[in-house]
Amino acid sequence: DAGVIQSPRHEVTEMGQEVTLRCKPISGHNSLFWYRQTMMRGLELLIYFNNNVPIDDSGMPEDRFSAKMPNASFSTLKIQPSEPRDSAVYFCASSSTSGRVYEQYFGPGTRLTVT
Amino acid sequence: GQQLNQSPQSMFIQEGEDVSMNCTSSSIFNTWLWYKQDPGEGPVLLIALYKAGELTSNGRLTAQFGITRKDSFLNISASIPSDVGIYFCAGQNAGNMLTFGGGTRLMVKP
Repeated sequence: DAGVIQSPRHEVTEMGQEVTLRCKPISGHNSLFWYRQTMMRGLELLIYFNNNVPIDDSGMPEDRFSAKMPNASFSTLKIQPSEPRDSAVYFCASSSTSGRVYEQYFGPGTRLTVT
Repeated sequence: GQQLNQSPQSMFIQEGEDVSMNCTSSSIFNTWLWYKQDPGEGPVLLIALYKAGELTSNGRLTAQFGITRKDSFLNISASIPSDVGIYFCAGQNAGNMLTFGGGTRLMVKP
């Protein structure tokens, strides 16, 4: 079975540019999570969706960040405009609300570098 | 906010040695999970614990859910070079969200 798929794996962009990160959750999973990982702050939850609806976005740093989940198999995290301090690895994870609901499965991440 | 204190922050051990790491919290958690992250990859779920006092094994890995529900430990027996990576604990106590510890970086000398 395919795991969580993220694209791109690496993104290098200049300050001020728009960045869009993409995620395809595991088929059948109905919860999706976006995390950011840095050396200083570790793994931080940015936002999570349940059945395509945003449930908690309190971790989104500021209005420059937005996330959407138009359907059960696709989500995007957008940063506009990007800043150097946004450089980090961004992970998408998914889980199912039936069965073992707290077991989140992570994608390989997108390493974002903003120069 | 909730915090998970994970220790040690790093370990450098000889191949074949046993490893022990733990997570503590000032808050109660209903579920504890342990993940491993290899360089350049996402965290991979190793073990999930759902009941206080539960002891669960996965190959050479053993994890326990503390009886107070405020701690958990992970043991690795007879370490091998591929055990190298960062190990994270995570706790759940409301909704579907997890709180992650800061990680334990394990290095194994052949």
